[in-house]
Amino acid sequence: EAGVTQFPSHSVIEKGQTVTLRCDPISGHDNLYWYRRVMGKEIKFLLHFVKESKQDESGMPNNRFLAERTGGTYSTLKVQPAELEDSGVYFCASSQSEDRVFFHGYTFGSGTRLTVV
Amino acid sequence: LAKTTQPISMDSYEGQEVNITCSHNNIATNDYITWYQQFPSQGPRFIIQGYKTKVTNEVASLFIPADRKSSTLSLPRVSLSDTAVYYCLVAPPPDTGRRALTFGSGTRLQVQP
Repeated sequence: EAGVTQFPSHSVIEKGQTVTLRCDPISGHDNLYWYRRVMGKEIKFLLHFVKESKQDESGMPNNRFLAERTGGTYSTLKVQPAELEDSGVYFCASSQSEDRVFFHGYTFGSGTRLTVV
Repeated sequence: LAKTTQPISMDSYEGQEVNITCSHNNIATNDYITWYQQFPSQGPRFIIQGYKTKVTNEVASLFIPADRKSSTLSLPRVSLSDTAVYYCLVAPPPDTGRRALTFGSGTRLQVQP
């Protein structure tokens, strides 16, 4: 099966611009997660979708970040306006229904490396 | 969420067995222990998960003592391609409502020829 796909793999934008990251989860995975690692820090949870609904967005840093998952398939994460401290790697992950997640774990994409200059 | 502590880095040689120990003194009764592997420029990859005693799959073994305050990931006969960062995570099952994973700093394993 195809894995979790993220696009673009790299993005370089200027401070104040807008960037939209996309994640295509594994087909049939209802759960979709966004994580990020900013420079020198640990991987941090941003939010969790169950289908098209936001289940947990406690990790979203501020209102410059907007995540959507219209139709419950792919998801986008928009940063507007981007700031220098938003630079880092943004990972998307997906998982099946709850009763199986602890037997297969979450499947992560390769990430989008965002650089804000 | 329980905090985990693991060595920052480890070195090994090809063909050796590598054991990475993780401390999680505050693990809750219903928490599971999960290990992920991450290669450069890739996302974390699930390796193994357990609750107690020993779990083995085609990649690794996970040893969990009775008190569950620590766990050891065992990689048999490592190769150069096992060079990666290994993360130990502790989390409750999904029916508790919280699904976010908490990553620590991980252990950077360097395998030498």
